[in-house]
This record gives sequence, C-alpha cells and structure tokens, in this order.
Amino acid sequence: QLQLQESGPRLVKTSETLSLTCTVSDGSMNDKSYYWGWFRQPPGKGLEWIGTIYYDGTSYYNPSLKSRVRLSLDTSQKQLSLSLSSLTGADTAIFYCASGRVYMVGGFDVWGQGTMGVVSS
Amino acid sequence: EIVLTQSPGTLSLTPGERATLSCRASQSIGRYLVWYQQRPGQAPRLLIYDASIRATGVPARFSGRGSGTDFTLTISSLEPEDFAVYYCQQRNDWPALTFGGGTKVEIK
Repeated sequence: QLQLQESGPRLVKTSETLSLTCTVSDGSMNDKSYYWGWFRQPPGKGLEWIGTIYYDGTSYYNPSLKSRVRLSLDTSQKQLSLSLSSLTGADTAIFYCASGRVYMVGGFDVWGQGTMGVVSS
Repeated sequence: EIVLTQSPGTLSLTPGERATLSCRASQSIGRYLVWYQQRPGQAPRLLIYDASIRATGVPARFSGRGSGTDFTLTISSLEPEDFAVYYCQQRNDWPALTFGGGTKVEIK
C-alpha cells in the first residue's frame, strides 16, 4: 500500500528557502497513472494547493506562489521535493504531499502525515 | 479563478442525525468536484470524487451529488468519528485546484 512521508527542517528564517522532501514507499512514481501534489495549511486555517507534478517531471503551480515555488521528483530515490523561496511569516504552515490517480479527476487519495514549517526571523 | 463557497461554516448536530453540507462554485465546474474529511491533527482524507463517486473504503453513509455550480455532501446518520471539517475542491481548471473554506461538523 502506497505511503508518503514528508521531511524537512521545522524552522526556517525569513527570506530564506524552505526545502521539503516526500518519500514514496513503493514504485508508484514510475506509473503514468499517478500524479503528485503538494499542499499547505496555515495553523487553524484551510487547505491551499501549492502545485502538482507528474511522473515525467511536468509541473504546475498555484499562480499565487508560482514565482517562489519549484517541484521536482527523483524516481531512483523515490522522492518528491518542494522548494519555496523568499519566505515570510505567512508561509508558516503544515505542508502535505499527496498522490492521486488519473481516474480520480483531480482527487488525492493518499496523503502524508504532514510536516510543520515555521518561518521566523 | 474559480471560487468555492461552503456553507454553513459550522454545523452542530448529534450522532445519528443527517448532515447536509453545501459547496457552491463561482462558475460551472461540471462534475469536477471532490470532497475531503479532515479530523483534528490528521491529514485530509478523500471521500468523494467526480461529485458523487465514493473513494475506496468510504462508508455508504457518505454521498455526494450535484453538477454545474451547486454540490452537496450528505452524511445520512452521523457516527462519532464523522465530527470533523469537510472541504470541497474543484479541478475544473486542472491542473489548477482550489478549495472551499470548509464546513466544521461539531457535536451539539
């Protein structure tokens, strides 16, 4: 059964870059029927989509974050990566990686447990 | 950008009651709507995709309906574990996604 696990630094300084990794438990990253997403949730608030990446590395980003975010994947390491630059306190959130199948028409059925990212000066 | 508006913000009910949650889109999204449940301290859980198809393992008491701009998630008889926050998400602009603000179902 597919499982996802986010990891990365918990505390990052203002103006710096947050780099997170999501480890995938099986070989699903090579499967064209999967897509992979990153989301965030500020404390006590709702969900926000950050971006989506496919098996071939094609990625799409939330327009509000596009200038600061980059997604990548490494199938040999079974890892997804998120980089978010020029951080401010408003970027403090729980960050989730998730996966979905193309037949789910945009739904994500497997989620990591999330990792908290705190931005502070 | 398509905006999703969920109502009510909070729904206060007792176990066994029926819950009806609404999600309205700012423009037609066909059937491209997804529902998630999020319990405190947990990641979201996919409940419904394509407006009405239950995800694997989701109990039959959860049902979704709607198309165009108006969608509903119904929980026919609330179980204790159903008290949570529910989010709708659209994918009409795929791969761009947006979420509604959420509806909290709390114990009355």
